[in-house]
Amino acid sequence: GPKVLQIPSHQIIDMGQMVTLNCDPVSNHLYFYWYKQILGQQMEFLVNFYNGKVMEKSKLFKDQFSVERPDGSYFTLKIQPTALEDSAVYFCASSLRPGGYEQYFGPGTRLTVL
Amino acid sequence: SQLAEENSWALSVHEGESVTVNCSYKTSITALQWYRQKSGKGPAQLILIRSNEREKRNGRLRATLDTSSQSSSLSITATRCEDTAVYFCATDAGGNNKLTFGQGTVLSVIP
Repeated sequence: GPKVLQIPSHQIIDMGQMVTLNCDPVSNHLYFYWYKQILGQQMEFLVNFYNGKVMEKSKLFKDQFSVERPDGSYFTLKIQPTALEDSAVYFCASSLRPGGYEQYFGPGTRLTVL
Repeated sequence: SQLAEENSWALSVHEGESVTVNCSYKTSITALQWYRQKSGKGPAQLILIRSNEREKRNGRLRATLDTSSQSSSLSITATRCEDTAVYFCATDAGGNNKLTFGQGTVLSVIP
């Protein structure tokens, strides 16, 4: 079936540094999402993105976070600067349409902030 | 507060048995989705059931939705070892595909 790819699978960085998480969504999908999952906890919505714009973001989407998808390339989540509490697995997802349509998830990027 | 939650943290069954995972939610929804997540992988959708539907099937899987009690169930018949995973329900309240996940039920299928 359709696949979402995420690069890298694991990233270790020092607190205060910048990190960019990359997502290659399903090719004909138009809606993109980031979710955050801390070990042992439920997955939580961060942001959704359509037509070059953030549609909705949660309170977890701090000012240090930003998303973009320049010219149809990777959909990225950038954190600058990182904090210890940003350590988590970040999942990217994409869907063809909003509103009750299946989201296809990538395998996640495990971010460890030291 | 949690907007979607499964009612059991962990379940264990023997291969071939049936099992049901339950979920309750606290807001009105446009759809409820059941996902399965295997270790080291992202969630994979199993069934999407819309608010005007009461039951949906997908092979050995059957989901029900009761909007009056704000609850859903996912039943798996003839379980297999490869069904071992964490099962999540996720709700879409606003119709913009912002999913709210429960904490998940860990299902172990024992050979």
